[in-house]
Amino acid sequence: DTAVSQTPKYLVTQMGNDKSIKCEQNLGHDTMYWYKQDSKKFLKIMFSYNNKELIINETVPNRFSPKSPDKAHLNLHINSLELGDSAVYFCASSHSAENSPLHFGNGTRLTVT
Amino acid sequence: GDSVTQMEGPVTLSEEAFLTINCTYTATGYPSLFWYVQYPGEGLQLLLKATKADDKGSNKGFEATYRKETTSFHLEKGSVQVSDSAVYFCALSERTGANNLFFGTGTRLTVIP
Repeated sequence: DTAVSQTPKYLVTQMGNDKSIKCEQNLGHDTMYWYKQDSKKFLKIMFSYNNKELIINETVPNRFSPKSPDKAHLNLHINSLELGDSAVYFCASSHSAENSPLHFGNGTRLTVT
Repeated sequence: GDSVTQMEGPVTLSEEAFLTINCTYTATGYPSLFWYVQYPGEGLQLLLKATKADDKGSNKGFEATYRKETTSFHLEKGSVQVSDSAVYFCALSERTGANNLFFGTGTRLTVIP
């Protein structure tokens, strides 16, 4: 009964490739997020979707494109991968109410060689 | 802009020692404050939160008090256990209707028997 699940857990790929990370939540939340955690554990928000609509879009290269087919899913597609994209990517979800806690997935470790 | 500053890690303590992890923040309004914990190989989990000045958040023996006068939200625990070994993140959320969390850089805690 995993609450926020993301796949794959590990992703190793070469520069220039295109890859996707999938995320699903079964908590009934209406808001989903993607965060990037670098090698120093610094965590930064990339995108946030509320009811399938983009509400937060931080300064992220256009190569990153989130897609939300429904409220329970938020996938992350990355084009033309670069070495600097190597990081752990976390999906999260929450209710839209103010101060609702975020529930995180276990992360996808992306390594670009 | 909004930001969170945490004490640098790593922190290594013996079991039953007293823990303090300092956190200070900068915000334009009246943010809500959070502590999240990340256990090895997992996503972040909400540990505790405080939504207004002088509120004290507490959970699993951890406490933090929202101090507006010192813009701080230090995490404390009276007696740590080996199972508390994890990375701890301080975070804030402005009251903008969107749950955009700004995280600190994380502090790694290792508790040795």
